[in-house]
Amino acid sequence: NAGVMQNPRHLVRRRGQEARLRCSPMKGHSHVYWYRQLPEEGLKFMVYLQKENIIDESGMPKERFSAEFPKEGPSILRIQQVVRGDSAAYFCASSRSGTAAYEQYFGPGTRLTVT
Amino acid sequence: DAKTTQPTSMDCAEGRAANLPCNHSTISGNEYVYWYRQIHSQGPQYIIHGLKNNETNEMASLIITEDRKSSTLILPHATLRDTAVYYCIVRVLISSGSARQLTFGSGTQLTVLP
Repeated sequence: NAGVMQNPRHLVRRRGQEARLRCSPMKGHSHVYWYRQLPEEGLKFMVYLQKENIIDESGMPKERFSAEFPKEGPSILRIQQVVRGDSAAYFCASSRSGTAAYEQYFGPGTRLTVT
Repeated sequence: DAKTTQPTSMDCAEGRAANLPCNHSTISGNEYVYWYRQIHSQGPQYIIHGLKNNETNEMASLIITEDRKSSTLILPHATLRDTAVYYCIVRVLISSGSARQLTFGSGTQLTVLP
């Protein structure tokens, strides 16, 4: 049973470009979470999605960041007009349900470097 | 979600049991205790979770005190590959099904020594 898949694993963008990060949840999981880990810091929640719905985006920066989880295909975290401060590891997690009774499984992350 | 307190770092000899404590004195009756770990540069790895009873799986055991104010994660035979940051997280169960994200603190850096 394949785990959570993220691609690309490493992404280099120049300032002002767009970054698209993809996450395919584990089979049977319909809940996706995105987290960001800045260098030498802890993981911070960004957004929670179910298929075609954003449930909680309280951790998402108000500008330039967006996320989607379409009916078909992976979840996408999109960062427009990237800046140096966006350089971080972005982790996706999935779970079978959104309640605390069900654990979240994490992908290997995408390491974004903005030059 | 309840706040947790963990030691910043711990060492453990290879082959010995690693006992990682976590204090969650303000935990509510509907909050689960979760343990994750993050090996350097990798995604966090789920270890175990529990509500009231002690739990055991192939990775570890979770001992929750009767008053639920603290817990201990036990790795029975630590190996060098268990060197990681271990996070204790409490997470509320919402019966309506609303999602709750994981809130990661600073965790405990466990170093397994040869």
